[in-house]
Amino acid sequence: QSALTQPASVSGSPGQSITISCTGTSSDVGGYNYVSWYQQHPGKVPKLMIYDVTNRPSGVSNRFSGSKSGNTASLTISGLQAEDEADYYCASYTSSNTLDVFGTGTKVTVL
Amino acid sequence: QVQLVESGGGVVQPGRSLRLSCAASGFTFSSYGMHWVRQAPGKGLEWVAIISSDGSKKYYADSVKGRFSISRDNSKNTLYLQMNSLRVEDTAVYYCAKDYAHWGQGTLVTVSS
Repeated sequence: QSALTQPASVSGSPGQSITISCTGTSSDVGGYNYVSWYQQHPGKVPKLMIYDVTNRPSGVSNRFSGSKSGNTASLTISGLQAEDEADYYCASYTSSNTLDVFGTGTKVTVL
Repeated sequence: QVQLVESGGGVVQPGRSLRLSCAASGFTFSSYGMHWVRQAPGKGLEWVAIISSDGSKKYYADSVKGRFSISRDNSKNTLYLQMNSLRVEDTAVYYCAKDYAHWGQGTLVTVSS
């Protein structure tokens, strides 16, 4: 099972919106609505930001939103803030015998 | 509140074994499937294994299949990862996670001669 494909880096200025893509196949991202997104600051534990493609856990800012089209899921961060600078990972259920797969990760830089 | 505390990490030679533990509290442990996820130094997250709530179903990443074994003791609220035939590339911080919404702080495993 190969990792889901994410851009290595995305950047934006404060207040802007950015979108991070997560590309898989019909066996994972495209086949199920079980895509999740995680934020990880350096040296910290990953934090769940989005689950089941579009849902935000309690306490997560509504500046974070998720979507999916075909085999590609996306995380959009609106009103970019300095504290959003972190690594972001997607993950998906997969019908392969491994069950779960993470993305390659994206470093978000706030200019 | 949910607490997950990993232990058992350390430095081990290639080919040797190590067992990680994850002590859970603050929720009904026996009702939830549990994951192990790892992160090599400076690298991304890699899902390792999952076990069902009753321990009857287990799934593994291809990279660890046949070498690692996930298990649990619901009477002790503890999750385990038995790691055999360790390789240098298994060096990572190992996290246990519940629903991916709750993660432990991780335990570092270093495989080196």
